[in-house]
Amino acid sequence: DADVTQTPRNRITKTGKRIMLECSQTKGHDRMYWYRQDPGLGLRLIYYSFDVKDINKGEISDGYSVSRQAQAKFSLSLESAIPNQTALYFCATSGGTSGDNEQFFGPGTRLTVL
Amino acid sequence: AQKITQTQPGMFVQEKEAVTLDCTYDTSDQSYGLFWYKQPSSGEMIFLIYQGSYDEQNATEGRYSLNFQKARKSANLVISASQLGDSAMYFCAMREYFGNEKLTFGTGTRLTIIP
Repeated sequence: DADVTQTPRNRITKTGKRIMLECSQTKGHDRMYWYRQDPGLGLRLIYYSFDVKDINKGEISDGYSVSRQAQAKFSLSLESAIPNQTALYFCATSGGTSGDNEQFFGPGTRLTVL
Repeated sequence: AQKITQTQPGMFVQEKEAVTLDCTYDTSDQSYGLFWYKQPSSGEMIFLIYQGSYDEQNATEGRYSLNFQKARKSANLVISASQLGDSAMYFCAMREYFGNEKLTFGTGTRLTIIP
């Protein structure tokens, strides 16, 4: 089974709808991240969380909110989706402050907002 | 602010040849980590190799090696004996050791291996 899972894998929604993307991990990591990937722009950080009580904005948090329901679960919400939020969304986890702790990525959620 | 630059939007390489993917970075931090990720057409992000800023030797992982030149702030990925399965997007990323520890990504290089 995958260590980092994301649901749904694909989603098409309409402008103005609320949508939630979910991320679960079995790696036991404290740190979790949400990134967004747009063509030609690489990945950009939306929100990150170091533990259940610690949630922080990334560089492009406007229009998004998150919830860390448990150590293993970190969800991303779009309160009122708009077309320019169409993108590939990745959840990632990492285990600690040691510099060589890579971030492990989920398979991604492809979101289309019409 | 940290910045990663990948100047090669696309590359075509003959199968079995070696290929170098360029990455330069900019940071004021003394402690940082450099990563390369592969993204095949299926979309997942696959970790390839890591180099710490204090590592004196270049990192190697199988056919992957990282040519780290700290003074020039470059961290090029070298793939030896390329294979058709190496065709993918490749992203260079940098992680700060303190603060939010986020990865800052470059815009990627699309590598196509020609049979």
